[in-house]
Amino acid sequence: SQELEQSPQSLIVQEGKNLTINCTSSKTLYGLYWYKQKYGEGLIFLMMLQKGGEEKSHEKITAKLDEKKQQSSLHITASQPSHAGIYLCGAANTGNQFYFGTGTSLTVIP
Amino acid sequence: DVKVTQSSRYLVKRTGEKVFLECVQDMDHENMFWYRQDPGLGLRLIYFSYDVKMKEKGDIPEGYSVSREKKERFSLILESASTNQTSMYLCASSRGQFTAFFGQGTRLTVV
Repeated sequence: SQELEQSPQSLIVQEGKNLTINCTSSKTLYGLYWYKQKYGEGLIFLMMLQKGGEEKSHEKITAKLDEKKQQSSLHITASQPSHAGIYLCGAANTGNQFYFGTGTSLTVIP
Repeated sequence: DVKVTQSSRYLVKRTGEKVFLECVQDMDHENMFWYRQDPGLGLRLIYFSYDVKMKEKGDIPEGYSVSREKKERFSLILESASTNQTSMYLCASSRGQFTAFFGQGTRLTVV
């Protein structure tokens, strides 16, 4: 089976602090997707990483995919309350089915 | 912008009712998905469709069926709703293995 493990499961940080969320796969990934979900809502696409060693940034969020394409990290710099939500990593298998990690719940305390 | 629209944000249904959840996408994507999301279990794939009238079972298809008569529309059907189907339901669409885009979710409560 294909699994993505995320850590930590939940995170509580003070506003302004940096944080990192990790996503690990037992198999080499074709592509790794990061999504954010506000509580009770759908998933919003953040970034997609395809190449080993790739790094992308959007505003204060940076995602990296390791050289082996089995591990990704999402880093938030100077966190704000607007960053709060659930972060999920996802991947697609050869059958074009998307599967996801169980998510990391982020709370940012003002 | 890609748009995936789910017909309802919130639904309350009685046990035994037949329930239809509708999803429409406007990007001509061939792939469409239905997931349910439960605390501690993450997103679990119910059904997947890669073309009109084509469907594949996901990880938890029991108690559900789907219909894809048109490319842009993918319906999830609960033939006889039960309380253990109370959940958040998420629809998504994609082209190939490219990014999947999600609807806003439907929170279904079965009483």
